[in-house]
Formats: sequence, structure tokens, C-alpha cells
Amino acid sequence: EPEVTQTPSHQVTQMGQEVILRCVPISNHLYFYWYRQILGQKVEFLVSFYNNEISEKSEIFDDQFSVERPDGSNFTLKIRSTKLEDSAMYFCASSEIGWGSTDTQYFGPGTRLTVL
Amino acid sequence: GESVGLHLPTLSVQEGDNSIINCAYSNSASDYFIWYKQESGKGPQFIIDIRSNMDKRQGQRVTVLLNKTVKHLSLQIAATQPGDSAVYFCACAGNMLTFGGGTRLMVKP
Repeated sequence: EPEVTQTPSHQVTQMGQEVILRCVPISNHLYFYWYRQILGQKVEFLVSFYNNEISEKSEIFDDQFSVERPDGSNFTLKIRSTKLEDSAMYFCASSEIGWGSTDTQYFGPGTRLTVL
Repeated sequence: GESVGLHLPTLSVQEGDNSIINCAYSNSASDYFIWYKQESGKGPQFIIDIRSNMDKRQGQRVTVLLNKTVKHLSLQIAATQPGDSAVYFCACAGNMLTFGGGTRLMVKP
């Protein structure tokens, strides 16, 4: 069964450093998403991406965040200058059509980001 | 703004019993609702969804009920098994997917 994959599984970085989290969505999917989950808290939407541009973003997704689809398979989340409060699990998801339809978002296993 | 909440943080059930997990939402404009299961160290896994033009939908051992009048969503798991132990999130879709806080389901053998 196809699945969303994410690398690395755990990223440790120093405050102020840039990190890039990588995702490979399911191959025939067209919509891509990033979510984060701070330990013990809700899963929070960050951004959705379709047709090489951001379609929605939340208040969390400020100028420190960016997303990119550098090639036909990868989807990345970059945090330019990490803060302590960026420590969280980051989940990538993809869907064939997009929410608001009967489509389903499939989630990857997550990357645990620890900012020291 | 949109908020999605869960009534109980932890639910403990006996193996074989039925489980009911509840969720309230605030945005009456939401038209699509999803239940996700999250096991420790893993990403959310889709269980079942329902659109606002329905009030009930059944899957394999799971049923989702939607009451739009009181903005309430529930997930029923029949014959709960140890493998059902996880955190369950409801989510609703408006212009973005909004998750509830999660209910931990613990299944006692």
C-alpha cells in the first residue's frame, strides 16, 4: 500500500539554525500538507500546497516557514531560524483531490524536531 | 474562530465492549468531518469520515454519527480490541483541517 514517508525521523538543531524537513507524498496525490503537533497537544494545520503554490496557511505559518516541491517527488518544509517553541512533531500529509471533497488525507510518520 | 473539542481525555473499556468517543465542534459551516487514530510514535491514520449531508456512516467495526443540530460528532467502535488502543482525534474541514484535542482509548484485556 502506498504511503507518505518523511525524513529524518528525528532532527535536533540549535536555536537560530535553519532546518529542512522532507516528505515524499503518495505518488498520484496532488495536494500536500504540513501539520505540527507540540507534545501533548492537538495536531495543528500549518499549510496546504497545490499546483506549486500555497493554497491555505494558518497563523502559525509565518515568514520563518516556507514550503517547496523541488522535484516531482519531494515536498519540503523549511524553518529559517528555529526557535525553542518550534520543537514539535511535524507531519506531512497528502491527498488525491483535496479536503472539502470526499478525499482522504494520508499522513506520514512524522519528524520529531528538537530545538536546543 | 473554529474550535473542535473532545469531551473526555481518556476512555477505558473492556476488551469486547463497544467504545464511544465524542467530539463537539463550533463552526456550523463545516461540511466534512473525519476521525483519525494515532498510535504512539506514528502519524494520524484515517478511520472514517462523514459529510454534513449525512447523519450516520458505517465502516468496518466503526460508525460515525453526526448531529448538526447540536454540533456533535461521535465515533463508535464495536467489539473493541487491544489493537484499538490509541489516541483518537476528530477533525473538521472548513478552509483548513482543524483537529480536536484527542481522546486516549485504553482497552483492558
